[in-house]
Amino acid sequence: GQSLEQPSEVTAVEGAIVQINCTYQTSGFYGLSWYQQHDGGAPTFLSYNGLDGLEETGRFSSFLSRSDSYGYLLLQELQMKDSASYFCAVRPRSGYSTLTFGKGTMLLVSP
Amino acid sequence: ETGVTQTPRHLVMGMTNKKSLKCEQHLGHNAMYWYKQSAKKPLELMFVYNFKEQTENNSVPSRFSPECPNSSHLFLHLHTLQPEDSALYLCASIGFGNASTDTQYFGPGTRLTVL
Repeated sequence: GQSLEQPSEVTAVEGAIVQINCTYQTSGFYGLSWYQQHDGGAPTFLSYNGLDGLEETGRFSSFLSRSDSYGYLLLQELQMKDSASYFCAVRPRSGYSTLTFGKGTMLLVSP
Repeated sequence: ETGVTQTPRHLVMGMTNKKSLKCEQHLGHNAMYWYKQSAKKPLELMFVYNFKEQTENNSVPSRFSPECPNSSHLFLHLHTLQPEDSALYLCASIGFGNASTDTQYFGPGTRLTVL
């Protein structure tokens, strides 16, 4: 089976840098994805790591280490609009399987 | 715009009503899903359709009935719901065949309130 653990809540101030960790237990997966969801909205795709290492997309970066069963999402130069829930997800290597999502981390950015 | 649309966006219904939620994807994907998200809770996978065939039903009560007439359309038929079924219902799609990316595209959701 698969399980992903994330902190339930993280707080930070505008302009700061924050890291949201995701640790997982899974028997094998294609890659680690991150999704953002604003309150009342739908999740939207942010980033994907198919290989170990760092992927950078503007202010957001994501990292994966399969040997450590660990990944993180790094948000730089935080803005108020970054206040949202962030979910990590994996798709297991077993046929047409669905993404398994973590329970999400609520990020609160204050002035 | 993610290429996945859902209607209606908001729905209020009584416990004896019958209604349907509709999802349509314009991405050429071959898998579509229904999720339920209650307030302050994580996503709960309800149903999975791969190539129009239902491949997962996560112990969802029979008052929820999915239908997938083709690979672009997905319905969720609702019948005699309970107040605890009030939630955001999200449709999503993904295209298999390219395991290098696992981007799942979500629709905007239907906010359902059961009175």
